[in-house]
This record gives sequence, structure tokens and C-alpha cells, in this order.
Amino acid sequence: QKEVEQDPGPLSVPEGAIVSLNCTYSNSAFQYFMWYRQYSRKGPELLMYTYSSGNKEDGRFTAQVDKSSKYISLFIRDSQPSDSATYLCAMMDSGGYQKVTFGTGTKLQVIP
Amino acid sequence: DAGVTQSPTHLIKTRGQHVTLRCSPISGHKSVSWYQQVLGQGPQFIFQYYEKEERGRGNFPDRFSARQFPNYSSELNVNALLLGDSALYLCASSTTGMGFEQFFGPGTRLTVL
Repeated sequence: QKEVEQDPGPLSVPEGAIVSLNCTYSNSAFQYFMWYRQYSRKGPELLMYTYSSGNKEDGRFTAQVDKSSKYISLFIRDSQPSDSATYLCAMMDSGGYQKVTFGTGTKLQVIP
Repeated sequence: DAGVTQSPTHLIKTRGQHVTLRCSPISGHKSVSWYQQVLGQGPQFIFQYYEKEERGRGNFPDRFSARQFPNYSSELNVNALLLGDSALYLCASSTTGMGFEQFFGPGTRLTVL
């Protein structure tokens, strides 16, 4: 079993829809939870990160972490065609070095 | 400001050869991490260097090695290439080495024939 599970999609939504992206994990030591966006043939771009449980909002993006369920989500409001990309969740513990464990990524397509 | 830069952009090698990939971090960043991203998968952690010392190593064979130079740039070396080493190799830099604040470069796409 992988430490981080993420549905690869693809997920197709109409422009303006609310998008929900999710990951589950098995390692209870994970403390930091990140979401990256990766366009085709580019490096990942950090969208936001959350420490421990709770919600965090940044513009149209909201990240949620439920450590009791080992479940994290990213919501995108008013989705735009420019949001079409692969979204990667990533996690790390508070150990001595900063190994980051990524999900496989969910490919999102926002249709105009 | 320039972001993380990597060279070369693309590389084609044959099995058994050796390859060196290079990374220049964002100015002021002292930590560099390397990741391997196979097509359709998320990046997998290979190494982290902070202040020229290895701080972490992922589950990769000894054919993979890296180093960080006094100017904080870094090299990733892979010996005895296998077909399965074909991937996008990503470099990420950060100021403190914390994984949640790292910035990725565009990657080097390695194809092993």
C-alpha cells in the first residue's frame, strides 16, 4: 500500500464549477500537507501548505486537512480553463530532514 | 529573480552509460533536493542537501549520487543507466531546507535507450 493515495482522474468539469481534489494517507507522522500544480512538461508549483489539521484559504483555493481520517482536500472555486493541470498532494513529517512524499497526481481539465 | 534552473533540458543516453544533471538554486537558497518523476507518477525523493551536507536520501540504489558545491549549486550523478531510469528529474531549492517551502525547477527529461 502506498503511503499517499490520490485518484489519477482525469477529472473534467465545466468552467465556473467547484472542483474537489482529495488524497488519503497512511502515515500518521505526516504533519505538513502541501498541494502543487503541475502543467505539462513543467516542474510542480506550490499552491499552498497546511500544518496539522484545519483549513486554509488563498483566493479561489481552499485546503482542508482531517488528520483523524487521514484525508486532505483541495477545493477550487470558480474554476477556469487556466486551472487545467495535474494537481499533486504532498506530505512530510517533522523529522530531521525534509523528505516530501507525493501522491500520483490528479489530472484536471476545465472545459470553457 | 531567476527561479531554479536545471541543465540540460533533455538528454538521451543508452543503457550502461553515466549521466550528470545540474541544478542552480534560487539566489539565497541553501538547500537543494532532487526528485525523480516517472511518467504518470508523482515525484519521488532522491536526495536533500543543505549547506553542502547530505541531509536525506530516498530509497534509490547507490548508482545515484549527488553533491552540492560552495555556491549551493548541485549535481546529480547516475551510473550504469537502466531503462527504468527514464524520467523527469526535478531539482527543488529552499532557504531553510523545509520541504513545504521548496520551489521546483523545470526538470531534466532523461531518456535511456
